[in-house]
Amino acid sequence: GIQVEQSPPDLILQEGANSTLRCNFSDSVNNLQWFHQNPWGQLINLFYIPSGTKQNGRLSATTVATERYSLLYISSSQTTDSGVYFCAVDPWNTDKLIFGTGTRLQVFP
Amino acid sequence: ETGVTQTPRHLVMGMTNKKSLKCEQHLGHNAMYWYKQSAKKPLELMFVYSLEERVENNSVPSRFSPECPNSSHLFLHLHTLQPEDSALYLCASSQVFFSGSDTGELFFGEGSRLTVL
Repeated sequence: GIQVEQSPPDLILQEGANSTLRCNFSDSVNNLQWFHQNPWGQLINLFYIPSGTKQNGRLSATTVATERYSLLYISSSQTTDSGVYFCAVDPWNTDKLIFGTGTRLQVFP
Repeated sequence: ETGVTQTPRHLVMGMTNKKSLKCEQHLGHNAMYWYKQSAKKPLELMFVYSLEERVENNSVPSRFSPECPNSSHLFLHLHTLQPEDSALYLCASSQVFFSGSDTGELFFGEGSRLTVL
């Protein structure tokens, strides 16, 4: 089956720093989504981005489907950005989302 | 009111108990999902319901029994669970576009944290 790898596994930042999270996947996909899981466990949908670039405030994401990777950029990080960031892909010819193992982000004041 | 609501948020049960997790979506979506999140493991898809029909059962033990009475409600019935079933159970919904076999954008509930003693 498809492999979804995220890097780095852990990231520690000071407030105000910028960061880039990466998601690599091993096969063609219908779509790709980024989620933020807050410390209380809830998964928040950040981007639905099968290709191209999208921006939402301090966050932006780019997916290069032909090269099978996606990047999530966080600028001017805040303590509320802490949590785990997951990418998830929907492989061709399936109806299910496969999640990566996540990047755990801790932002300190 | 949030888009996807799960109850209860926390549940502690013994191995011989029978309990149910409930999920309700207010987004008008046509597909609903149960995911399991255990410590240090990727999110695992358990069940998929599309147009109220089960389309995926990802090798889940029979002690987990899903029910989808309509497109807005999804249940997960639990009986004779094991301690290793302790996890966060997440419900999600999406609007599936059948022409392209695309799951659509998933929206998750807050999860039900289950502890089996």
